[in-house]
Amino acid sequence: KAGVTQTPRYLIKTRGQQVTLSCSPISGHRSVSWYQQTPGQGLQFLFEYFSETQRNKGNFPGRFSGRQFSNSRSEMNVSTLELGDSALYLCASRRTWTAWGQETQYFGPGTRLLVL
Amino acid sequence: GENVEQHPSTLSVQEGDSAVIKCTYSDSASNYFPWYKQELGKRPQLIIDIRSNVGEKKDQRIAVTLNKTAKHFSLHITETQPEDSAVYFCAASRNYGQNFVFGPGTRLSVLP
Repeated sequence: KAGVTQTPRYLIKTRGQQVTLSCSPISGHRSVSWYQQTPGQGLQFLFEYFSETQRNKGNFPGRFSGRQFSNSRSEMNVSTLELGDSALYLCASRRTWTAWGQETQYFGPGTRLLVL
Repeated sequence: GENVEQHPSTLSVQEGDSAVIKCTYSDSASNYFPWYKQELGKRPQLIIDIRSNVGEKKDQRIAVTLNKTAKHFSLHITETQPEDSAVYFCAASRNYGQNFVFGPGTRLSVLP
């Protein structure tokens, strides 16, 4: 079974621009979560989508948004990029949102975003 | 909200020795605690997890213990090998997987 995939793997943008990242979950997984990983802040939860609906949200500004499509693929958008948005953005998928025995998340390789 | 602390931030051990990483959490409602290993330039990978109704879980050289009263859980790696060198993250969540909060990570170096 193919793992979680993310595109693009690397991205360079300038301040003020916007960016869209894509995540394709493992086949059969309907939940997709997004995380930001930086050396200073570690792994921080952005949001989680299940069945095209945002189920959980972390403490990030409204410039960070996401969506999920009917095939469970998810996109994350960051508008008005700031230098501090430079990070590795990871998505993770799992079979469902909350259910006994379905907690395990599988991470994608990440998209490394550099904002200049 | 939940806060997860992790210690130590760096750990160096000799090959063959044991390594212990400890995490504490603040939300008594947290009930699922996974551990992830992230090698340099790679994605985090789940290595072991534990639910709140279990005190200890073991998988070959890796074990996790949970003390709900003290709100801490620990990762134990025995007979360490150079390939165990990586950053290890603990996490806590409510409802067996809602809103994961990660610890800051521990960089483990296994010296040959």
